[in-house]
Amino acid sequence: EAGVTQFPSHSVIEKGQTVTLRCDPISGHDNLYWYRRVMGKEIKFLLHFVKESKQDESGMPNNRFLAERTGGTYSTLKVQPAELEDSGVYFCASRPNMAGELFFGEGSRLTVL
Amino acid sequence: KNQVEQSPQSLIILEGKNCTLQCNYTVSPFSNLRWYKQDTGRGPVSLTIMTFSENTKSNGRYTATLDADTKQSSLHITASQLSDSASYICVVSKAGGADGLTFGKGTHLIIQP
Repeated sequence: EAGVTQFPSHSVIEKGQTVTLRCDPISGHDNLYWYRRVMGKEIKFLLHFVKESKQDESGMPNNRFLAERTGGTYSTLKVQPAELEDSGVYFCASRPNMAGELFFGEGSRLTVL
Repeated sequence: KNQVEQSPQSLIILEGKNCTLQCNYTVSPFSNLRWYKQDTGRGPVSLTIMTFSENTKSNGRYTATLDADTKQSSLHITASQLSDSASYICVVSKAGGADGLTFGKGTHLIIQP
C-alpha cells in the first residue's frame, strides 16, 4: 500500500513567485493535515481537512496560503506570493479517522530566495 | 501556552550503548503522547503512542515511559545501532481539539561506530 506522497520534494523559488505543493494521502484516509517546519523550530500545524472540507485552518499563517482538497482526495497548498520566511519543510499527513495513527509524507522542502 | 520541551537538543553515543531522551509537556487537557523517529530527509514515523493510563510501552529496542502526574515522558533506546541516528520528536495531543498536536523540537541523535 502506498504511503502519503508529496510533490515536489524540493522547490527553490524567488520571493514573489508562486509555488504549489501537492499531497496524495493514503487511499481511504478522510483526514488530511498540513504541517510546516521552519529551520530551528518545531513542526507546526497549518490546517486539517476532513474529506473536502476544511475542519480547522487556524494554523495558516496568512492569506498568502491557500489549501484545497477538491473531491476529497489529493490536496494542494499554494503560496502566493512567496516570502523569505515561508522557507521550510511542508509535511502532509493523513489518517482514516481521528483515533487512527497519523502517517506523514516525506515533506516538501521550500526555499525562497 | 501548550508546550513540549525536549532534552537534550542533540546527543552523540557509541554504537551498542543505551540512551534516554526526555520530554516535558504542559499541554492540557492531555489526550496522548507519541514519539516519532524522523530520518534525515524523511517524514516522521511513529514509534509509540501512550494514553493517560499507560506508563510504559515498548517497540523493539525502543521503550517509552509516561508520568502523567509530572507531565514527563522518556524514550529509552537499548543497544543502539547506526540506523538509530535520527531526530526523535515528542508529540502531545490535546483532548477535545480538532487536531491538538503539539510538537517538540526533537532530539538529534547520532550513533557513532
